[in-house]
Amino acid sequence: DTGVSQDPRHKITKRGQNVTFRCDPISEHNRLYWYRQTLGQGPEFLTYFQNEAQLEKSRLLSDRFSAERPKGSFSTLEIQRTEQGDSAMYLCASRHGTGHYGYTFGSGTRLTVV
Amino acid sequence: EDQVTQSPEALRLQEGESSSLNCSYTVSGLRGLFWYRQDPGKGPEFLFTLYSAGEEKEKERLKATLTKKESFLHITAPKPEDSATYLCAVQAGYNTDKLIFGTGTRLQVFP
Repeated sequence: DTGVSQDPRHKITKRGQNVTFRCDPISEHNRLYWYRQTLGQGPEFLTYFQNEAQLEKSRLLSDRFSAERPKGSFSTLEIQRTEQGDSAMYLCASRHGTGHYGYTFGSGTRLTVV
Repeated sequence: EDQVTQSPEALRLQEGESSSLNCSYTVSGLRGLFWYRQDPGKGPEFLFTLYSAGEEKEKERLKATLTKKESFLHITAPKPEDSATYLCAVQAGYNTDKLIFGTGTRLQVFP
């Protein structure tokens, strides 16, 4: 197991385009999280899944953002009609949903909207 | 509103010069406090979880402690490879599973 994998590592897009990111969690982890991090700030929570169910969404997740985890394995985060303010690092994390376990983060997808 | 504050924002140390980073929090119902290390362009790397006041955990040159209002990350005899941003996060409340992060402390250790 190589940890949490995110693809792509970098994405440059023009304002108004749609983008989609993928996250592959650690295989035995049933919970998957999306966070967004801007320069000089800590990660901010966006949403999380337990298996395929999306259990919590942040106010930050506007109607232009949608996340899915169709079979309880990998997840996708889509941003429609991107804006310059969407430029950030998008981080995925996973963990076991029961007991005291730490969250394992991926290396992130760096989005630049030009 | 739940809040996490880290200090200092940046810290420069000479190799071997021990110091501490602070994480103060105001939350309702702390379930866990987490310390992460983050290198530039990478995701956070898990270091410690603390669950109750008085708890301490150690790993190599790092030691994390927890009180009812704050946590400290003590770095003993740091080396240049300890240079990174150290993030503190809390898991609070019983109807949410999100982490609330501080803005981090940027540590630079010079040889």
